[in-house]
Amino acid sequence: DVKVTQSSRYLVKRTGEKVFLECVQDMDHENMFWYRQDPGLGLRLIYFSYDVKMKEKGDIPEGYSVSREKKERFSLILESASTNQTSMYLCASSLRGVMNTEAFFGQGTRLTVV
Amino acid sequence: QKEVEQNSGPLSVPEGAIASLNCTYSDRGSQSFFWYRQYSGKSPELIMFIYSNGDKEDGRFTAQLNKASQYVSLLIRDSQPSDSATYLCAVGNYNTNAGKSTFGDGTTLTVKP
Repeated sequence: DVKVTQSSRYLVKRTGEKVFLECVQDMDHENMFWYRQDPGLGLRLIYFSYDVKMKEKGDIPEGYSVSREKKERFSLILESASTNQTSMYLCASSLRGVMNTEAFFGQGTRLTVV
Repeated sequence: QKEVEQNSGPLSVPEGAIASLNCTYSDRGSQSFFWYRQYSGKSPELIMFIYSNGDKEDGRFTAQLNKASQYVSLLIRDSQPSDSATYLCAVGNYNTNAGKSTFGDGTTLTVKP
């Protein structure tokens, strides 16, 4: 069974704090993703990584950074949390192939910034 | 224009009816098409993918792809209350955006007993 595990299900942080969201996958997938999902705005890509130490900005990277030091782990960092970063954060992974492949999602982290 | 557009919904059908979910996309070079189901408070999970024009059936689900019209749909036959969820369409073009599929905003389906 493919498993993508996010470190926290719920998180409450204060404005200005540095926040780390961790994601681990156990299927040896090359691709990993961080999305945020907000009502009415759908699923928006924050960052994408296609290999260790490789990353690409997604649609909304401002205020976020990422780290991928090992293939199985992809971390999302909020450098200085703000209330507009209150959201559901979803990590996903997929195989690299000759076509885009299925994305497997973690259970999500609901982050509240107060 | 959004890259991937879905019926705004919500869509409500009676139990046992056919639910039809539609998705259009703007990138004519797209090659891979996915339908995900997302229950309230849960993560998306894949229910169908399709790469070639035509129909692909899996149990009560049928995905239909028409690349000329840039249109992909999901039909759910004999809809059940357990099918009530948000359905996300995702489209991928490996040549221009390898690995990254673009998601629509989703259509919420309610199946009434």
